[in-house]
Amino acid sequence: DTAVSQTPKYLVTQMGNDKSIKCEQNLGHDTMYWYKQDSKKFLKIMFSYNNKELIINETVPNRFSPKSPDKAHLNLHINSLELGDSAVYFCASSQGLGQGKSKNIQYFGAGTRLSVL
Amino acid sequence: DQQVKQNSPSLSVQEGRISILNCDYTNSMFDYFLWYKKYPAEGPTFLISISSIKDKNEDGRFTVFLNKSAKHLSLHIVPSQPGDSAVYFCAASENGSSNTGKLIFGQGTTLQVKP
Repeated sequence: DTAVSQTPKYLVTQMGNDKSIKCEQNLGHDTMYWYKQDSKKFLKIMFSYNNKELIINETVPNRFSPKSPDKAHLNLHINSLELGDSAVYFCASSQGLGQGKSKNIQYFGAGTRLSVL
Repeated sequence: DQQVKQNSPSLSVQEGRISILNCDYTNSMFDYFLWYKKYPAEGPTFLISISSIKDKNEDGRFTVFLNKSAKHLSLHIVPSQPGDSAVYFCAASENGSSNTGKLIFGQGTTLQVKP
């Protein structure tokens, strides 16, 4: 029973298309995140939501739009895909915001490898 | 501007010996540090963490050391096992009044433990 699951695992698409990646967590966590791992292997945060409220929106093009229908889900929609969007996208969740070990630990999904041709 | 750096892209050690992975940071406001382990085609999994009020945290074969004055932390694995072969990421967070849960990751160190 996977704690943080994201679908699809692989996504191959053409430039200009619109695609979505879904993420669900069954840990009862309040906070969810999207990270991008680029070709240089850096893991960089894109967005975070706490109780369905947007908390972090890093300098990400507005072609990327996160949507959180409820606390257990955070989906990522990407419009007008570009070659540079090719990367591995990771969803994560944490218990919540605040100090302490339990709040800081983030649990990651297995990743979605996006290839834009 | 990389606030968290892992300057060694790879490390190779013999089974049974000690593995030492290093991480440097520049932001003095970071107050919580984590190590994650990642196998190919999987997401990072939490390994061990340390608060800035401590200088050492131990969990089984894994120990993290924090040197705040040097803005340096290290992960020691003793004894190393072949199953420890993975990419290890160092991460840091700043827990202030505007805590956002944001983790800043280093670029990772690939550890290979040879049998």
